[in-house]
Amino acid sequence: RKEVEQDPGPFNVPEGATVAFNCTYSNSASQSFFWYRQDCRKEPKLLMSVYSSGNEDGRFTAQLNRASQYISLLIRDSKLSDSATYLCVVITGTGNQFYFGTGTSLTVIP
Amino acid sequence: DADVTQTPRNRITKTGKRIMLECSQTKGHDRMYWYRQDPGLGLRLIYYSFDVKDINKGEISDGYSVSRQAQAKFSLSLESAIPNQTALYFCATSAGLEAFFGQGTRLTVV
Repeated sequence: RKEVEQDPGPFNVPEGATVAFNCTYSNSASQSFFWYRQDCRKEPKLLMSVYSSGNEDGRFTAQLNRASQYISLLIRDSKLSDSATYLCVVITGTGNQFYFGTGTSLTVIP
Repeated sequence: DADVTQTPRNRITKTGKRIMLECSQTKGHDRMYWYRQDPGLGLRLIYYSFDVKDINKGEISDGYSVSRQAQAKFSLSLESAIPNQTALYFCATSAGLEAFFGQGTRLTVV
């Protein structure tokens, strides 16, 4: 079973739409959770951390549900510049191993 | 200049050839990683190193070897390249909960 599972999409949404991505993780002992953004042919970069209490950064909201081992990312008022692949990342183990989901592709359409 | 630099950025090589991908970082991080990214499979860990004397196999180490020449340098070798090693390779560093990636090396084995 994969450590982290994501719906690969693609999600094609009009500008201004709200879109949500989900991710599940298999190891209940996982300690830290993140969303990374990867533009086409570029390296992944940290978008935001995910906490049980929720984390909001402008139009982006990330949420963790430990009981369900579920992570979400909500993007409100989508912009063309939000088009990218969003990677769910979980840190697990004593060695702080990073486990990446396969990514969810988002295209925002004019 | 990028904090994590990979060379070469693109490489085409023939089956059976030995090839080395290099990574250097100026972030002063002890932890360095090599990942490969394939469509639909996401980022998969090849090898990681938590300091100069520490080398660990990741999820898909067969066919690869690494060398940690210094804190700042971590190289990945394909001893005898095969076509299914065609992929986008990323080096990353970490000092804690965030991973910083190089710009990637696109490797094609023909």
